[in-house]
Amino acid sequence: EAGVAQSPRYKIIEKRQSVAFWCNPISGHATLYWYQQILGQGPKLLIQFQNNGVVDDSQLPKDRFSAERLKGVDSTLKIQPAKLEDSAVYLCASSPILRWKAFFGQGTRLTVV
Amino acid sequence: GQQLNQSPQSMFIQEGEDVSMNCTSSSIFNTWLWYKQDPGEGPVLLIALYKAGELTSNGRLTAQFGITRKDSFLNISASIPSDVGIYFCAGLRGGNMLTFGGGTRLMVKP
Repeated sequence: EAGVAQSPRYKIIEKRQSVAFWCNPISGHATLYWYQQILGQGPKLLIQFQNNGVVDDSQLPKDRFSAERLKGVDSTLKIQPAKLEDSAVYLCASSPILRWKAFFGQGTRLTVV
Repeated sequence: GQQLNQSPQSMFIQEGEDVSMNCTSSSIFNTWLWYKQDPGEGPVLLIALYKAGELTSNGRLTAQFGITRKDSFLNISASIPSDVGIYFCAGLRGGNMLTFGGGTRLMVKP
């Protein structure tokens, strides 16, 4: 079974630039999560989708972050404009509806300079 | 948001020793998950717990869902060098919001 796919693996941008991350969840998984993991900390939930609807985005900095999950499959997370403090690993995870088990991708390491 | 307090923050043990770590919260959770994260990789699911009091093993790993539903424990028996990494607990509650602890960094001395 293919895992959660994320791209790119690494991205370096200058502050105030824009960046987008892509996630392809495990086939059939209805729930998709985006997490931000700052070095030395646990992952922090940014947004959670159930199919193509948003379940929780209370910790998403909506003035600069946006995410969508068209057709309830792939998802993109965008930052516009980026700040230095956005430097982190952005993790995507997916989970089936029953017997919740969230599986993670390898993440995208973003460095904002 | 909800807080999961994970302890200890780090451990440095001798190969062959057993390891215990735990996760506590002031909130009740319906599911507890334990993950291991290696450098440069995403967290990998080790064990999932769905019922208060449940005890589940995965090889040398054993995890328990606390009776109060506010805590969980992970034990690793006879540690080996490849056990090195960061272990995260994660709790799931209403709305299926998955919250992570701060992690326990495990170092194993051969």
